[in-house]
Amino acid sequence: AQRVTQPEKLLSVFKGAPVELKCNYSYSGSPELFWYVQYSRQRLQLLLRHISRESIKGFTADLNKGETSFHLKKPFAQEEDSAMYYCALRKGFGNEKLTFGTGTRLTIIP
Amino acid sequence: GAGVSQTPSNKVTEKGKYVELRCDPISGHTALYWYRQSLGQGPEFLIYFQGTGAADDSGLPNDRFFAVRPEGSVSTLKIQRTERGDSAVYLCASSPSPLAASNYGYTFGSGTRLTVV
Repeated sequence: AQRVTQPEKLLSVFKGAPVELKCNYSYSGSPELFWYVQYSRQRLQLLLRHISRESIKGFTADLNKGETSFHLKKPFAQEEDSAMYYCALRKGFGNEKLTFGTGTRLTIIP
Repeated sequence: GAGVSQTPSNKVTEKGKYVELRCDPISGHTALYWYRQSLGQGPEFLIYFQGTGAADDSGLPNDRFFAVRPEGSVSTLKIQRTERGDSAVYLCASSPSPLAASNYGYTFGSGTRLTVV
């Protein structure tokens, strides 16, 4: 069965410093990977997906199939980045189930 | 409505009782999903509807859990003989289609916090 691991439950970073939230997965096929974010008192929402190879709010994530990783990165942290971040995997189009990691709470220190 | 609406926002029930949780998706969204989030965990898939039918119910933990979507819009998650381990936040999400879910993600509701005492 597929599995998503986020090894850090908590991560604190100073404003302006680089951020990296780690995500590793186990799945033998070709998955779709996503990052979801939940800001304080808001709903869970999509941040970015590996297929689009886009940068959202300065965040990027590259799928590394060799290392089975999908780490989320931002070169310069901002206070508004403080939130809960979840990495999620879908086995592929036609399979609608998302498997989430346990999440990382990111706190940006002013 | 403007977003995915879930009612009630909080529900406290006694062990052994029956509960119903309601999800009102965005109008026109054919895909509807239920997830459960226990404390300190990520959301865990329960069931997915495409229209009126349950296309994947592999995440329902046991036969005490059941969900319906009779008219292809509002969905109800039903839990019989509740147990303390059922305490969690139950999240509903919707999407215009499975392809849209892949491209744009789901729209999540704010959840129902269920506490079984």
